[in-house]
Amino acid sequence: SQQGEEDPQALSIQEGENATMNCSYKTSINNLQWYRQNSGRGLVHLILIRSNEREKHSGRLRVTLDTSKKSSSLLITASRAADTASYFCATVSSNDYKLSFGAGTTVTVRA
Amino acid sequence: KAGVTQTPRYLIKTRGQQVTLSCSPISGHRSVSWYQQTPGQGLQFLFEYFSETQRNKGNFPGRFSGRQFSNSRSEMNVSTLELGDSALYLCASSLLEGGSGYTFGSGTRLTVV
Repeated sequence: SQQGEEDPQALSIQEGENATMNCSYKTSINNLQWYRQNSGRGLVHLILIRSNEREKHSGRLRVTLDTSKKSSSLLITASRAADTASYFCATVSSNDYKLSFGAGTTVTVRA
Repeated sequence: KAGVTQTPRYLIKTRGQQVTLSCSPISGHRSVSWYQQTPGQGLQFLFEYFSETQRNKGNFPGRFSGRQFSNSRSEMNVSTLELGDSALYLCASSLLEGGSGYTFGSGTRLTVV
């Protein structure tokens, strides 16, 4: 079973626009991570936000975490064609430290 | 620094056979986790090993097993293969046990016919 639900399932934007995707989860977490996957290859770790953090930035990425709503969002600013990929949120449970993935959001950036 | 290496990259097996997949973590990483990815079920956690001990296990039947060696390399075995075992199997390594960022390998694409 998957811990996270991601929204939307798919997103198509123009190069230069921002892309926002959301993740909701069910149980208590130690941290939440975002990963990118290109065409069925391995996942690339993007950013980790701890349960006591509310916002984190890394380059063009901005992640927020609202533990009261059990939700997170990933914002990619000034998108590029190379950002075309599937993005997954993953939560680390504070009970057993298992990393559980959401279903992912497929982002297509049009040139 | 070499990344996480998974072998083989592709594999075709027949129903009923068994298969062993290999994962070499990043040097110094002692935690290795395995995931199964399918279009229908997404990314499902299989198990996590740390210092040769299984620390966590997902909800998979006993046909799925794994182990970790003293050099942190890990193997995953699936016995009595079923068509539904066709998937991308991903291995990830981490410096610490559970909770920190993971580095994933490129995966092994298993097709069961």
